[in-house]
Amino acid sequence: AIQLTQSPSSLSASVGDRVTITCRASQGISSVLAWYQQKPGKAPKLLIYDASTLHTGVPSRFSGSGSGTDFTLTISSLQPEDFATYFCQQFDTFPLTFGPGTKVDFK
Amino acid sequence: EVQLVESGGGLVKPGGSLRLSCAASGFEFSRFTMNWVRQTPEKGLEWVSSISNSGTYIYYGDSVKGRFTISRDNAKNSLDLQMNGLRVADTAVYYCARIEGDLRYCRGTSCRSDYWGQGTLVTVSS
Repeated sequence: AIQLTQSPSSLSASVGDRVTITCRASQGISSVLAWYQQKPGKAPKLLIYDASTLHTGVPSRFSGSGSGTDFTLTISSLQPEDFATYFCQQFDTFPLTFGPGTKVDFK
Repeated sequence: EVQLVESGGGLVKPGGSLRLSCAASGFEFSRFTMNWVRQTPEKGLEWVSSISNSGTYIYYGDSVKGRFTISRDNAKNSLDLQMNGLRVADTAVYYCARIEGDLRYCRGTSCRSDYWGQGTLVTVSS
């Protein structure tokens, strides 16, 4: 199975900060990677797919990049509603797998 | 508005069975692949199973293969997960989610789980 690792596992930031989260795949997955945001007690919400395509309705402060094994999710200017946990998921090979998550909280 | 509503979760003893359902609305259900994903604080998000729009293609994670069965009824806009031989390790919140794209050709069809239900809790305990 393709393993996804995320770093950092958690980070503390302030409103207005630029935040970057990385996701690394154990083998190449082209660009078939999605990013999700999850808040406590809620279902994940899709942010980005195909590594860099913004899902409908997602604010443009979110962006994604990468291909192969290394991917990044960037929030250009952190907003209060962005404090959450972020997960990556690969769709290249079965079993579909998720990263362990990165929790973004208040500094 | 796309809505996915899971039901059927609850407390069951090890070795027991449970059937989860997901009621879909707000989109043409028969056009989309659907999947089940589960989540625990310890293991995070884990993909469980997917079924293509017509039900022709079915996929399972290794941890549930042979015990769980995914099915769908396009006439009723419904997705099910029959869970047999339940184990303590199956305890989780189970989400149904819509998949955009064709899981056979994700590199060309932009696969993603674009809408998720609110989840239903399954607890396996004696």
